[in-house]
Amino acid sequence: QVQLQESGPGLMRPSETLSLTCTVSGGSISTYFWSWIRQAPGKGLEWIGYMDYSGNTNYNPALKNRVAMSFDTSKNQFSLKLNSVTAADTAVYYCARDEAYDSNGYVYDPAWFAPWGQGTLVTVSS
Amino acid sequence: QSVLTQPPSVSGAPGQRVTISCTGSSSNIGAGYDVHWYQQLPGTAPRLLIFGNKNRPSGVPDRFSGSKSGTSASLAVTGLQAEDEADYYCQSYDTVTGYVFGTGTHVSVL
Repeated sequence: QVQLQESGPGLMRPSETLSLTCTVSGGSISTYFWSWIRQAPGKGLEWIGYMDYSGNTNYNPALKNRVAMSFDTSKNQFSLKLNSVTAADTAVYYCARDEAYDSNGYVYDPAWFAPWGQGTLVTVSS
Repeated sequence: QSVLTQPPSVSGAPGQRVTISCTGSSSNIGAGYDVHWYQQLPGTAPRLLIFGNKNRPSGVPDRFSGSKSGTSASLAVTGLQAEDEADYYCQSYDTVTGYVFGTGTHVSVL
């Protein structure tokens, strides 16, 4: 089955650019849509954005001025960049696959997220 | 601040039934968007529990059920078990903010 694994820097300084990569195994990233979601310590889930298989993107309006997503199909990976980070960006960052069709081909709106990666903690501190 | 509101916590004794509400508005659930539910056990990633308002993925016990009406959705857990102690989140779409999650509910098994 499809599995996702995030990788990232762990600790960052304010104003730096966060770069995260999600490696997909057991399936191709050239189908489906793929999302990034984060969770600040002790807080709820926040959708960051998604990229579709054509490279089109859709970002959370609250973050879109600082976010960029991209693919590397040769490595079956997709990536997130978040610039000008502050302590408020400290969170566990998850990658996930967007799914909108059930086994009968019925389409739902919006998509749901499954599976998820295990998450990677990014701490922003001076 | 999420546009989908959930109670911060609910609790029940083993074997009891608990329900979690997810209250939205005319720009999200009330606009006809579907609702999905996730369970997050401590220290783990969320996992899909209900998709399309009421459908269970393979492997999810039938103790979990979902419904949607108007601008709200609900998740019910019947026959509560100790292993159900976790955080639960609803998810939908908002015409202003995009994909949205609920504020989250912690379920405690007494």
